[in-house]
Amino acid sequence: EAGVAQSPRYKIIEKRQSVAFWCNPISGHATLYWYQQILGQGPKLLIQFQNNGVVDDSQLPKDRFSAERLKGVDSTLKIQPAKLEDSAVYLCASSLGPRLYGYTFGSGTRLTVV
Amino acid sequence: DAKTTQPNSMESNEEEPVHLPCNHSTISGTDYIHWYRQLPSQGPEYVIHGLTSNVNNRMASLAIAEDRKSSTLILHRATLRDAAVYYCILYNNDMRFGAGTRLTVKP
Repeated sequence: EAGVAQSPRYKIIEKRQSVAFWCNPISGHATLYWYQQILGQGPKLLIQFQNNGVVDDSQLPKDRFSAERLKGVDSTLKIQPAKLEDSAVYLCASSLGPRLYGYTFGSGTRLTVV
Repeated sequence: DAKTTQPNSMESNEEEPVHLPCNHSTISGTDYIHWYRQLPSQGPEYVIHGLTSNVNNRMASLAIAEDRKSSTLILHRATLRDAAVYYCILYNNDMRFGAGTRLTVKP
């Protein structure tokens, strides 16, 4: 089966600019997650979707970050405006049923804010 | 939230078994124990998971203590491609990663 697709692979922007990341999960996976991974740290959950509804966004900095999952398939994560500390890898994951099947991660988007 | 404790780093020789420990003394009865690994410049990769019984798959084995307060990921013959950061995670409605164990495999 095809994996979780993410784009772009790399992005460099200046602070205060906006940026968007795209994720296409594995077909049939109802649950989708966005994680932020700062260099040297483990991934940090930003938001969890079940179909097109938000299950948990408690760690999403809502003043600048937003995410949506239209039609319960693809998802986009947006940062507006970006700060230097947003430099990180943004990972998307999907799952058929995380308790029994675990997550499948994409390769991520590496964001550098200068 | 339940937490896990792992050594920061471990070393192994190629073709030898590796035992990666994880302590989770505050585990609840409904927490699943998941292991993921992350190779350089890649997203985390599922390795194995279990609830109470030991588990085996093509990648590894998972040994779970009888009281479930600790577990061990076993790589039966380490290869250079197994060099990665290994994460032990307690799953109960969400997956929260710690810092993991960085495994170095020496030829």
